[in-house]
Amino acid sequence: AQKITQTQPGMFVQEKEAVTLDCTYDTSDQSYGLFWYKQPSSGEMIFLIYQGSYDEQNATEGRYSLNFQKARKSANLVISASQLGDSAMYFCAMRDSMDSNYQLIWGAGTKLIIKP
Amino acid sequence: DTAVSQTPKYLVTQMGNDKSIKCEQNLGHDTMYWYKQDSKKFLKIMFSYNNKELIINETVPNRFSPKSPDKAHLNLHINSLELGDSAVYFCASSQGGTPYEQYFGPGTRLTVT
Repeated sequence: AQKITQTQPGMFVQEKEAVTLDCTYDTSDQSYGLFWYKQPSSGEMIFLIYQGSYDEQNATEGRYSLNFQKARKSANLVISASQLGDSAMYFCAMRDSMDSNYQLIWGAGTKLIIKP
Repeated sequence: DTAVSQTPKYLVTQMGNDKSIKCEQNLGHDTMYWYKQDSKKFLKIMFSYNNKELIINETVPNRFSPKSPDKAHLNLHINSLELGDSAVYFCASSQGGTPYEQYFGPGTRLTVT
């Protein structure tokens, strides 16, 4: 069965430092996609970044990048130059091609707090 | 323009009541979802609805029933509300084909007293 593991329930990081949020996944499928979402205290879920299993390069979106290590089945989110507004819950999710219902498997989330 | 909207944002009601949450998306997506987020922030898929095909999560009590009048709307009706139904409910939508990331509504905080 597919599974997403986020081992860091909470993190404190100093403002302007880089942050790495861990995500490991488990799937037997060769074709899959990995997603990161941000949930600030206001509650909305914001899509950040996507990595396909066949993508040769790590995905990047502004200050967000995804450190994709296929052999280790990890898809860590890296936030460069953290800002106070980055304080939020972060969720890793996965979809594999076996799921015709387009459903995502979600991790438990990491609560990130940026300290001024 | 709001991509995925939900009403109401907050819902407080008593046990045993029946309530509905409405969801609309203006993205032209063909798949919509309902999620439940508990107090520990864990997200649980409840339903997905793709091109008029409803996929029911077997762990969801049959007191919960989604209704889709058209592709842009997916409402959630809950009968005989229980204390354990208190949570934040999110509607989301996506377009088929990779990567089909899901776009979420603002959430509805349901409190059952």
